[in-house]
Amino acid sequence: QVQLQQWGAGLLKPSETLSLTCAVYGGSFSGYYWSWIRQTPGQGLEWIGEINHSGSTNYNPSLKSRITISVDTSKSQFSLKLNSVTGADTAVYYCARATPPVDWGQGTLVTVSS
Amino acid sequence: EIVMTQSPATLSVSPGERATLSCRASQSVGSNLAWYQQKPGQAPRLLIYGASTRAIGIPARFSGSGSGTEFTLTISSLQSEDFAVYYCQQYNNWPPLYTFGQGTKLEIK
Repeated sequence: QVQLQQWGAGLLKPSETLSLTCAVYGGSFSGYYWSWIRQTPGQGLEWIGEINHSGSTNYNPSLKSRITISVDTSKSQFSLKLNSVTGADTAVYYCARATPPVDWGQGTLVTVSS
Repeated sequence: EIVMTQSPATLSVSPGERATLSCRASQSVGSNLAWYQQKPGQAPRLLIYGASTRAIGIPARFSGSGSGTEFTLTISSLQSEDFAVYYCQQYNNWPPLYTFGQGTKLEIK
Protein backbone atom coordinates (compact mmCIF):
# COMPACT_ATOMS: atom_id res chain seq x y z
CA GLN A 1 0.00 0.00 0.00
CA VAL A 2 1.34 3.38 -0.97
CA GLN A 3 1.72 5.94 1.79
CA LEU A 4 2.52 9.60 1.33
CA GLN A 5 4.04 11.62 4.14
CA GLN A 6 4.45 15.35 3.75
CA TRP A 7 6.15 18.06 5.73
CA GLY A 8 7.08 21.71 5.57
CA ALA A 9 6.77 25.04 7.33
CA GLY A 10 3.28 25.83 8.54
CA LEU A 11 3.57 29.56 9.22
CA LEU A 12 4.87 32.05 6.70
CA LYS A 13 4.97 35.80 6.34
CA PRO A 14 3.74 37.54 3.20
CA SER A 15 6.30 37.48 0.36
CA GLU A 16 8.06 34.39 1.74
CA THR A 17 8.38 31.08 -0.09
CA LEU A 18 6.25 28.08 0.78
CA SER A 19 8.22 24.85 0.67
CA LEU A 20 6.69 21.39 1.11
CA THR A 21 8.06 17.91 0.51
CA CYS A 22 6.23 14.61 0.10
CA ALA A 23 7.84 11.22 0.57
CA VAL A 24 6.37 8.11 -1.01
CA TYR A 25 6.57 4.78 0.77
CA GLY A 26 5.64 1.48 -0.80
CA GLY A 27 4.72 0.86 -4.42
CA SER A 28 6.36 2.20 -7.54
CA PHE A 29 7.48 5.80 -7.84
CA SER A 30 7.69 5.69 -11.60
CA GLY A 31 4.67 5.35 -13.83
CA TYR A 32 2.57 7.95 -12.05
CA TYR A 33 2.08 11.65 -11.90
CA TRP A 34 2.49 13.10 -8.41
CA SER A 35 0.31 16.07 -7.55
CA TRP A 36 -0.07 18.96 -5.19
CA ILE A 37 -3.59 20.10 -4.31
CA ARG A 38 -4.71 22.71 -1.83
CA GLN A 39 -7.94 23.35 0.02
CA THR A 40 -9.29 26.59 1.40
CA PRO A 41 -12.63 27.24 3.07
CA GLY A 42 -13.50 29.84 0.49
CA GLN A 43 -12.11 28.41 -2.75
CA GLY A 44 -12.49 24.71 -2.04
CA LEU A 45 -10.13 22.24 -3.65
CA GLU A 46 -7.62 23.59 -6.15
CA TRP A 47 -5.22 21.54 -8.25
CA ILE A 48 -1.78 23.13 -8.13
CA GLY A 49 0.26 20.95 -10.43
CA GLU A 50 1.92 17.60 -11.01
CA ILE A 51 5.20 15.94 -11.87
CA ASN A 52 6.27 12.50 -13.02
CA HIS A 53 9.40 10.55 -12.17
CA SER A 54 11.30 11.96 -15.14
CA GLY A 55 10.55 15.53 -14.09
CA SER A 56 7.86 16.40 -16.59
CA THR A 57 5.54 18.95 -15.02
CA ASN A 58 2.11 20.44 -15.54
CA TYR A 59 1.07 23.51 -13.60
CA ASN A 60 -2.16 25.35 -12.92
CA PRO A 61 -1.91 28.45 -15.15
CA SER A 62 -3.19 30.65 -12.34
CA LEU A 63 -0.18 29.72 -10.19
CA LYS A 64 2.40 28.90 -12.85
CA SER A 65 4.44 32.05 -12.44
CA ARG A 66 5.01 31.33 -8.74
CA ILE A 67 5.36 27.56 -8.43
CA THR A 68 8.06 24.98 -8.94
CA ILE A 69 7.47 21.28 -8.49
CA SER A 70 10.55 19.08 -8.43
CA VAL A 71 11.31 15.40 -7.93
CA ASP A 72 14.06 13.38 -6.30
CA THR A 73 13.65 9.84 -7.54
CA SER A 74 16.57 8.57 -5.45
CA LYS A 75 14.54 9.37 -2.34
CA SER A 76 11.04 8.82 -3.83
CA GLN A 77 10.19 12.39 -2.94
CA PHE A 78 8.69 15.36 -4.69
CA SER A 79 8.48 18.94 -3.58
CA LEU A 80 6.50 22.14 -4.01
CA LYS A 81 7.78 25.68 -3.84
CA LEU A 82 5.39 28.60 -4.05
CA ASN A 83 7.00 32.00 -3.89
CA SER A 84 5.72 35.43 -2.96
CA VAL A 85 2.93 34.03 -0.79
CA THR A 86 0.01 36.15 0.41
CA GLY A 87 -2.92 35.51 2.71
CA ALA A 88 -4.77 34.02 -0.23
CA ASP A 89 -2.30 31.14 -0.18
CA THR A 90 -3.40 30.11 3.32
CA ALA A 91 -4.71 26.59 2.88
CA VAL A 92 -4.28 22.94 3.66
CA TYR A 93 -1.84 21.56 1.10
CA TYR A 94 -1.99 17.92 0.06
CA CYS A 95 0.33 15.76 -1.98
CA ALA A 96 -1.27 12.92 -3.92
CA ARG A 97 -0.56 10.05 -6.28
CA ALA A 98 -1.92 9.63 -9.80
CA THR A 99 -4.70 11.30 -11.74
CA PRO A 100 -7.30 11.24 -10.40
CA PRO A 101 -5.54 11.14 -7.02
CA VAL A 102 -5.88 7.76 -5.37
CA ASP A 103 -3.56 8.17 -2.42
CA TRP A 104 -3.20 11.39 -0.47
CA GLY A 105 -0.83 12.75 2.10
CA GLN A 106 -2.09 13.79 5.50
CA GLY A 107 -2.23 17.46 4.58
CA THR A 108 -0.25 20.42 5.88
CA LEU A 109 -1.94 23.58 7.07
CA VAL A 110 0.02 26.56 5.79
CA THR A 111 -0.91 29.93 7.24
CA VAL A 112 0.36 33.17 5.76
CA SER A 113 0.23 36.01 8.22
CA SER A 114 2.32 38.99 9.15
CA GLU B 1 -11.15 26.46 -17.41
CA ILE B 2 -13.88 23.86 -16.98
CA VAL B 3 -16.22 24.83 -14.16
CA MET B 4 -17.77 22.03 -12.12
CA THR B 5 -21.09 22.76 -10.42
CA GLN B 6 -22.48 20.45 -7.76
CA SER B 7 -26.03 20.33 -6.49
CA PRO B 8 -27.47 20.54 -4.01
CA ALA B 9 -25.05 22.30 -1.68
CA THR B 10 -26.53 20.39 1.25
CA LEU B 11 -28.56 17.20 1.17
CA SER B 12 -30.44 15.89 4.20
CA VAL B 13 -31.22 12.17 4.06
CA SER B 14 -32.17 9.57 6.64
CA PRO B 15 -29.99 6.52 7.24
CA GLY B 16 -31.04 3.63 5.04
CA GLU B 17 -32.40 5.89 2.34
CA ARG B 18 -30.92 6.65 -1.08
CA ALA B 19 -28.90 9.76 -1.78
CA THR B 20 -28.41 11.24 -5.23
CA LEU B 21 -25.78 13.91 -5.80
CA SER B 22 -25.30 15.80 -9.05
CA CYS B 23 -22.32 17.32 -10.80
CA ARG B 24 -22.40 19.36 -14.00
CA ALA B 25 -19.43 20.38 -16.15
CA SER B 26 -19.38 23.63 -18.12
CA GLN B 27 -18.18 21.67 -21.15
CA SER B 28 -17.84 18.00 -21.98
CA VAL B 29 -15.30 16.03 -19.96
CA GLY B 30 -16.18 12.68 -21.51
CA SER B 31 -15.97 10.10 -18.73
CA ASN B 32 -12.98 11.77 -17.03
CA LEU B 33 -14.87 12.43 -13.83
CA ALA B 34 -14.06 11.37 -10.28
CA TRP B 35 -15.97 11.52 -7.00
CA TYR B 36 -14.42 11.94 -3.55
CA GLN B 37 -15.66 11.70 0.00
CA GLN B 38 -14.15 13.93 2.66
CA LYS B 39 -14.67 13.82 6.41
CA PRO B 40 -13.54 16.56 8.82
CA GLY B 41 -9.80 16.65 9.34
CA GLN B 42 -9.15 14.04 6.67
CA ALA B 43 -7.91 14.09 3.10
CA PRO B 44 -10.42 13.36 0.37
CA ARG B 45 -10.92 9.69 -0.44
CA LEU B 46 -11.37 8.58 -4.04
CA LEU B 47 -14.69 6.78 -4.52
CA ILE B 48 -15.31 6.71 -8.26
CA TYR B 49 -13.18 7.36 -11.32
CA GLY B 50 -13.96 7.16 -15.01
CA ALA B 51 -17.44 8.39 -14.03
CA SER B 52 -18.61 4.92 -12.96
CA THR B 53 -15.72 2.72 -11.78
CA ARG B 54 -15.45 2.19 -8.04
CA ALA B 55 -12.00 2.62 -6.56
CA ILE B 56 -10.44 -0.29 -4.67
CA GLY B 57 -12.20 -1.00 -1.39
CA ILE B 58 -15.25 1.19 -2.06
CA PRO B 59 -18.54 -0.49 -1.11
CA ALA B 60 -21.00 -1.42 -3.83
CA ARG B 61 -23.63 0.96 -2.42
CA PHE B 62 -21.66 3.77 -4.10
CA SER B 63 -22.29 4.10 -7.82
CA GLY B 64 -21.53 6.72 -10.40
CA SER B 65 -23.13 7.45 -13.73
CA GLY B 66 -23.14 9.97 -16.53
CA SER B 67 -20.89 11.27 -19.28
CA GLY B 68 -20.22 14.49 -21.09
CA THR B 69 -21.51 17.23 -18.81
CA GLU B 70 -23.97 15.54 -16.44
CA PHE B 71 -22.92 13.15 -13.68
CA THR B 72 -24.54 11.52 -10.68
CA LEU B 73 -23.24 9.84 -7.55
CA THR B 74 -25.77 7.54 -5.90
CA ILE B 75 -25.47 6.02 -2.45
CA SER B 76 -28.07 3.30 -2.37
CA SER B 77 -28.61 2.83 1.37
CA LEU B 78 -26.95 5.40 3.58
CA GLN B 79 -24.85 4.19 6.45
CA SER B 80 -23.81 6.41 9.35
CA GLU B 81 -20.26 6.61 8.04
CA ASP B 82 -21.44 8.03 4.70
CA PHE B 83 -22.39 11.42 6.08
CA ALA B 84 -19.62 13.66 4.79
CA VAL B 85 -18.82 16.14 2.04
CA TYR B 86 -18.63 14.85 -1.52
CA TYR B 87 -16.69 16.44 -4.36
CA CYS B 88 -16.55 15.80 -8.06
CA GLN B 89 -13.42 16.47 -10.14
CA GLN B 90 -12.84 16.51 -13.87
CA TYR B 91 -9.49 15.47 -15.27
CA ASN B 92 -10.16 15.84 -18.96
CA ASN B 93 -8.11 18.87 -19.93
CA TRP B 94 -5.04 18.96 -22.04
CA PRO B 95 -2.85 20.68 -21.02
CA PRO B 96 -3.99 19.60 -17.58
CA LEU B 97 -6.11 21.90 -15.45
CA TYR B 98 -8.08 19.59 -13.25
CA THR B 99 -10.97 21.29 -11.49
CA PHE B 100 -13.20 20.37 -8.57
CA GLY B 101 -16.80 21.10 -7.76
CA GLN B 102 -17.59 23.12 -4.64
CA GLY B 103 -18.92 20.09 -2.79
CA THR B 104 -22.19 18.67 -1.49
CA LYS B 105 -22.58 18.20 2.24
CA LEU B 106 -24.56 15.06 2.99
CA GLU B 107 -26.11 15.37 6.43
CA ILE B 108 -28.33 13.24 8.59
CA LYS B 109 -32.03 14.07 8.40
